Amino acid sequence: EAGVTQFPSHSVIEKGQTVTLRCDPISGHDNLYWYRRVMGKEIKFLLHFVKESKQDESGMPNNRFLAERTGGTYSTLKVQPAELEDSGVYFCASSQVGVVGTEAFFGQGTRLTVV
Amino acid sequence: AQSVTQLGSHVSVSEGALVLLRCNYSSSVPPYLFWYVQYPNQGLQLLLKYTTGATLVKGINGFEAEFKKSETSFHLTKPSAHMSDAAEYFCAVTPYSSASKIIFGSGTRLSIRP
Repeated sequence: EAGVTQFPSHSVIEKGQTVTLRCDPISGHDNLYWYRRVMGKEIKFLLHFVKESKQDESGMPNNRFLAERTGGTYSTLKVQPAELEDSGVYFCASSQVGVVGTEAFFGQGTRLTVV
Repeated sequence: AQSVTQLGSHVSVSEGALVLLRCNYSSSVPPYLFWYVQYPNQGLQLLLKYTTGATLVKGINGFEAEFKKSETSFHLTKPSAHMSDAAEYFCAVTPYSSASKIIFGSGTRLSIRP
């Protein structure tokens, strides 16, 4: 069974440009999460989808970040325009709904560098 | 509110020595507790988890952790370190019976000396 897949694995963009990150969760997982780790600090929650609905977006840093999950399958996270402080590793995770104690499965992350 | 504190951003042990990575949590409700590991150039992988029941939890690669409610701790141990254990380890918490967000600690980088 395929795990959580993220594209691209690395992205280097200039300040002011737009970048779109993609996450394909494990098939059948209705929960999808985005996390970010900046400069070796803790991994911080960005938002949580249940199917196509945003359940919790309290971690989104500002309105330059837009996450979508059309159709409740894959998700995209767009940063527009990118700023230097957006550099970091963006992780996506998925889990099953309704399974007590289930863990989230993480992708390998997208390393974003804004120069 | 929930939070996780990992003591020591970097731990170095000799091969064959005991590994002890410390984690303390704060939670207003019964928590689920996790340890994740990130090997170089890889994603986060679950090592072990505590949900309910036995407080000593065994995970992959010989790691185990003990949930101590009175100490609000969930320290990770391995009796004998191997070179392949070099990685970054994250303690994490999420509220009981909820599919809400996972709160991570800041991570501990484990180095193994030959």
